[in-house]
Amino acid sequence: ETGVTQSPTHLIKTRGQQVTLRCSSQSGHNTVSWYQQALGQGPQFIFQYYREEENGRGNFPPRFSGLQFPNYSSELNVNALELDDSALYLCASSLPSGRTDEQYFGPGTRLTVT
Amino acid sequence: AQSVAQPEDQVNVAEGNPLTVKCTYSVSGNPYLFWYVQYPNRGLQFLLKYITGDNLVKGSYGFEAEFNKSQTSFHLKKPSALVSDSALYFCAVRDFLSGGSYIPTFGRGTSLIVHP
Repeated sequence: ETGVTQSPTHLIKTRGQQVTLRCSSQSGHNTVSWYQQALGQGPQFIFQYYREEENGRGNFPPRFSGLQFPNYSSELNVNALELDDSALYLCASSLPSGRTDEQYFGPGTRLTVT
Repeated sequence: AQSVAQPEDQVNVAEGNPLTVKCTYSVSGNPYLFWYVQYPNRGLQFLLKYITGDNLVKGSYGFEAEFNKSQTSFHLKKPSALVSDSALYFCAVRDFLSGGSYIPTFGRGTSLIVHP
């Protein structure tokens, strides 16, 4: 088990609503990445945060936004939920530059949009 | 952009037999390659990585991977499969972010089923 935790484990939302997912990184890791894993697919990169700044972004619309806090924990916010947002959302923490491809994943949050 | 392909959605193998999960890559420059495993209702766990050096990389749980530059492949192997190895396996390649950092870019995954 990694030291990365995510909450909640599961949640169900209605189309058009907003959701916030939370992640606590492994001790000593100051970089957090978020991924969306749709059923039957590999994880797709959403964005990465380093020292509270967005450090890179994948091909996701602006209604996907994030925050990183001084203790390196992080939030993923999704506005105007769509049915296709139903997926497992994974958070991963890593050491800074040069080691950010060695990622430690949390168990994920399963989001269902109805 | 860097990418990997996993040509098999599912691999079936009998317990005790050797297993191979296939991965091919497409990169510019030197490839940095990874294998991750995902058990049901769990996040991804790092298995092994190739950066440079020996073409045979050893990792966790008795897994190893063979890097083949001429075939642009990085197949995951284990000499003797266990029922507990049944899981989703993801190949990944190091990709560069504009912010100066890196992320793994994943394949679609291969479901490994080990039969008793």
